[in-house]
Amino acid sequence: QVQLEQSGPGLVKPSQTLSLTCAISGDNVSSYSAAWNWIRQSPSRGLEWLGRTFYRSKWYNDYAVSVKSRITINPDTSKNHFSLQLTSVTPDDTAVYYCARTPCGGDCYSFENWGQGTPVTVSS
Amino acid sequence: DIVMTQSPDSLTVSLGERATINCKSSQSILYSANKKNYLTWYQQKPGQPPKVLIDWASTRESGVPDRFSGSGSGTDFTLTISSLQAEDVAIYYCQQFYVVPFTFGGGTKVEIK
Repeated sequence: QVQLEQSGPGLVKPSQTLSLTCAISGDNVSSYSAAWNWIRQSPSRGLEWLGRTFYRSKWYNDYAVSVKSRITINPDTSKNHFSLQLTSVTPDDTAVYYCARTPCGGDCYSFENWGQGTPVTVSS
Repeated sequence: DIVMTQSPDSLTVSLGERATINCKSSQSILYSANKKNYLTWYQQKPGQPPKVLIDWASTRESGVPDRFSGSGSGTDFTLTISSLQAEDVAIYYCQQFYVVPFTFGGGTKVEIK
């Protein structure tokens, strides 16, 4: 059974970098049968997919246009986790952040497994 | 981006009655090569992440009660709860995985009358 465990600070100052990590158990970040996503949820934006990373002979990333200039999602194969970095944050980035796994069998579909969520507040 | 529009925003239904939630995509999410609709329905309860109820518009996830069903194709989809139970109080979301960026509907809050 796949489990995702998130870690990272819940308070970030404006203009600084938000950094979160998602530790994977029951699967491998390099799996050809999965993709690894970050999603956030706020009252103003609802559920918003931010981006993903996946390995298919090499690493690939896709990012939402709304954050593309500020986001990096990195896998760490030695620790079997993946991370989110979002730079130059503003109060508009305040949200609950989730990591999520998408199974891929030919197609990648649905966010089947979720982390517990990390409420992040951007405030000085 | 594909815009997912859900209706209604909220729904109040008596126990044992039917609840119907609609979801419309701004473009077709039916892939003609395999005839699959790239749509998922989720249920979210307070303090929890969303949970998959239905994949491919109509395939119920293992363990999901059969009172939940999904239908529709192309751009118009429906989630039906045939006989509402107290534990079904939640917010329900549709989401397309046809193309990046993956997008969600705004959610429908289901409550008991």
